[in-house]
Amino acid sequence: GENVEQHPSTLSVQEGDSAVIKCTYSDSASNYFPWYKQELGKRPQLIIDIRSNVGEKKDQRIAVTLNKTAKHFSLHITETQPEDSAVYFCAAPDSSYKLIFGSGTRLLVRP
Amino acid sequence: DAGITQSPRHKVTETGTPVTLRCHQTENHRYMYWYRQDPGHGLRLIHYSYGVKDTDKGEVSDGYSVSRSKTEDFLLTLESATSSQTSVYFCAISESTGYNYGYTFGSGTRLTVV
Repeated sequence: GENVEQHPSTLSVQEGDSAVIKCTYSDSASNYFPWYKQELGKRPQLIIDIRSNVGEKKDQRIAVTLNKTAKHFSLHITETQPEDSAVYFCAAPDSSYKLIFGSGTRLLVRP
Repeated sequence: DAGITQSPRHKVTETGTPVTLRCHQTENHRYMYWYRQDPGHGLRLIHYSYGVKDTDKGEVSDGYSVSRSKTEDFLLTLESATSSQTSVYFCAISESTGYNYGYTFGSGTRLTVV
């Protein structure tokens, strides 16, 4: 079945710097890769996703890149702000199309 | 608020007692899921449903059962609660399978088993 690994588990950056979170997946048939942001005490919310027919997708300060050959995808946040502090989860579908989540990355943006 | 509600939001229960958590949606989505969230483990799938009376097990289903008698309601039951089931439980819905559509999550239920 699908296995999703996420790194790093914690990430601390200075406000204004960039942050990168990486995920690898095991099922080469996977073709949809969402990212979720979870603020403290809140529900996870979808922030961006990418499908396997594209290599990169941007939405303002966030972007996701996908390398299907290497089976990894990454979340890039530029010009980080304190409100970016949260836990971020990547996910990939298994063979039954249920999402399997990574273990999460706690991002801290220092003012 | 997002068309999905969970109840209760918080619950403390004793070891060995049965507990039922409820997920209610107003989106008429076919797919519903129960996840548990624990530090260091992310979100792990307990059970899911792909329609009324159609359910299946996820990766951590032992000690849990589910029922879906109506499109809008998905119930998670801990048959005999144990301390290892202390967790935050999230329900999620999706219009289609995870291939094309992201999930919408409920606000979660924080369950403490003492």
